[in-house]
Amino acid sequence: DVKVTQSSRYLVKRTGEKVFLECVQDMDHENMFWYRQDPGLGLRLIYFSYDVKMKEKGDIPEGYSVSREKKERFSLILESASTNQTSMYLCASSFGTGLSETQYFGPGTRLLVL
Amino acid sequence: QQQVKQSPQSLIVQKGGISIINCAYENTAFDYFPWYQQFPGKGPALLIAIRPDVSEKKEGRFTISFNKSAKQFSLHIMDSQPGDSATYFCAGWTSGSRLTFGEGTQLTVNP
Repeated sequence: DVKVTQSSRYLVKRTGEKVFLECVQDMDHENMFWYRQDPGLGLRLIYFSYDVKMKEKGDIPEGYSVSREKKERFSLILESASTNQTSMYLCASSFGTGLSETQYFGPGTRLLVL
Repeated sequence: QQQVKQSPQSLIVQKGGISIINCAYENTAFDYFPWYQQFPGKGPALLIAIRPDVSEKKEGRFTISFNKSAKQFSLHIMDSQPGDSATYFCAGWTSGSRLTFGEGTQLTVNP
């Protein structure tokens, strides 16, 4: 089974702190994604990556950056956390660019910024 | 801009009833439409998906109906069970592996 793990289930940070969210997948997937999930807004794509050291902006990249130094690991960085970044963050991975590829999600990290 | 609109936001159904969740999309570049199911404390997982060249896809109690001309699709859950209680997301997929999700529907099936 594909496994996507996220480093923390819950995080509490202060406004202005730098926050790192880590994601690791064990299936040698090419693609990795970061979403945030908010009630009534669904899942919104922050950034994604097709390959090591490659990154593409999603729909809401402002205030975030990402890093992919190894194929299995994709990090989301909040350079200076703000209260409006309080949310559930979901990482996902998929094999390639096939038409019917499936995205596999991690369990999520619930971030509270005070 | 929400390119996939989903309704209702929440739905309560009795055990054995039919659950229906509707989605409408704007982007005609979408060429694959998956539904994801999310249980509390878990990430979403693929439930069922359809391509726009077919009008219906059925897998067990779950059916997707697709209307290309209306740019609408829906998920029907027959004989709904308490174990189906979850949040459901529809999505549209474009080339480049991007999924655009709807707002989600929280389904509660009462025993």
